[in-house]
Amino acid sequence: DGGITQSPKYLFRKEGQNVTLSCEQNLNHDAMYWYRQDPGQGLRLIYYSQIVNDFQKGDIAEGYSVSREKKESFPLTVTSAQKNPTAFYLCASSPGGDTQYFGPGTRLTVL
Amino acid sequence: AQSVTQLGSHVSVSEGALVLLRCNYSSSVPPYLFWYVQYPNQGLQLLLKYTSAATLVKGINGFEAEFKKSETSFHLTKPSAHMRDAAEYFCAVSKPSGGYNKLIFGAGTRLAVHP
Repeated sequence: DGGITQSPKYLFRKEGQNVTLSCEQNLNHDAMYWYRQDPGQGLRLIYYSQIVNDFQKGDIAEGYSVSREKKESFPLTVTSAQKNPTAFYLCASSPGGDTQYFGPGTRLTVL
Repeated sequence: AQSVTQLGSHVSVSEGALVLLRCNYSSSVPPYLFWYVQYPNQGLQLLLKYTSAATLVKGINGFEAEFKKSETSFHLTKPSAHMRDAAEYFCAVSKPSGGYNKLIFGAGTRLAVHP
């Protein structure tokens, strides 16, 4: 079945540690996105990539980094510079139009 | 600038009652509009989208939305609520940005359905 997978579903890390969230898609979509979701708020865009080896900052990129070495994969690293990293992180992909399709999410908790 | 306002962060209905979730947008160009649903601890699932064809858009799970340009609204409705409709619903508008279409999300409306 085609889809978007994110792993792990739950992630716990100590303060000051970097952590990498995985996002993989087998939909053959060119564009991929990372969003952050906090309680009572909508989704905020962290980074996006329209094509392999290219990505752009979204609205809240500080403290995050990404790579896009393969079309299928768009990992997100939450660095120690991110002041408040505890959140629900959602990955999405798009075939190039407007519609985005979302993965199941990773809940990151920093202890 | 494009933005999305969802009126009511929480809506509660009885099972079998009409569901009405409100969304107003601001856009300088004819927009693409979306409704997504999110069940607890899951990702977002596309319910329906408006792309300037018919103004009444039918989606999955019995939901539909009507685009009203004069009111800049895109309200989501369902004639009869089921318990399984309890979830959070997000309205989004597509905004051209740097060569791609960015989605701007509303803050969401949490729908509760009680027996």
